[in-house]
Amino acid sequence: ETGVTQSPTHLIKTRGQQVTLRCSSQSGHNTVSWYQQALGQGPQFIFQYYREEENGRGNFPPRFSGLQFPNYSSELNVNALELDDSALYLCASSLAGGTPNEQFFGPGTRLTVL
Amino acid sequence: LAKTTQPISMDSYEGQEVNITCSHNNIATNDYITWYQQFPSQGPRFIIQGYKTKVTNEVASLFIPADRKSSTLSLPRVSLSDTAVYYCLVAGGFKTIFGAGTRLFVKA
Repeated sequence: ETGVTQSPTHLIKTRGQQVTLRCSSQSGHNTVSWYQQALGQGPQFIFQYYREEENGRGNFPPRFSGLQFPNYSSELNVNALELDDSALYLCASSLAGGTPNEQFFGPGTRLTVL
Repeated sequence: LAKTTQPISMDSYEGQEVNITCSHNNIATNDYITWYQQFPSQGPRFIIQGYKTKVTNEVASLFIPADRKSSTLSLPRVSLSDTAVYYCLVAGGFKTIFGAGTRLFVKA
């Protein structure tokens, strides 16, 4: 069974640029959620994708967007990067219809915006 | 989604049992209680989940009283490697709201 993987592990961008982060879900999981975790804080829910459609969104602006592909992998896109976007971005996969909240997280992508 | 309240930090020694209590007064009928563990620069890891009474797995126990307004994560005989942040979550769906968590420090 393959766990959740994310790429890249680290990324440095400058303010105003755009970034794409990638996530491969755990085998058999059809739901992917993305989180932003600032240093010293708990993860903040960005959005969730199920069957290639957004299935819920947290309090993040539209410049945070995503995609889910037929193989259930996912991308997080952030446009017009701001300094406050510097954080650990986590992807989590789960199985719709399974036990609520039992999500499996990847190792994250550390984004630094200069 | 129900709000949760848990201690900011706790200290313990190796070999001791650690109990972390979480308050969730507004828990809904269809909400489950889930605990995650997170090490620095890693994603959270699912520990245990329950709906009512007691749940036990190979790493922890979860105690939930009849009114379900609180829950207690019990870690038996902690080791240095249990030093981490522990999050209590309450929700009925897949939207997961993390609080600030409890930072557990295990000392030798």
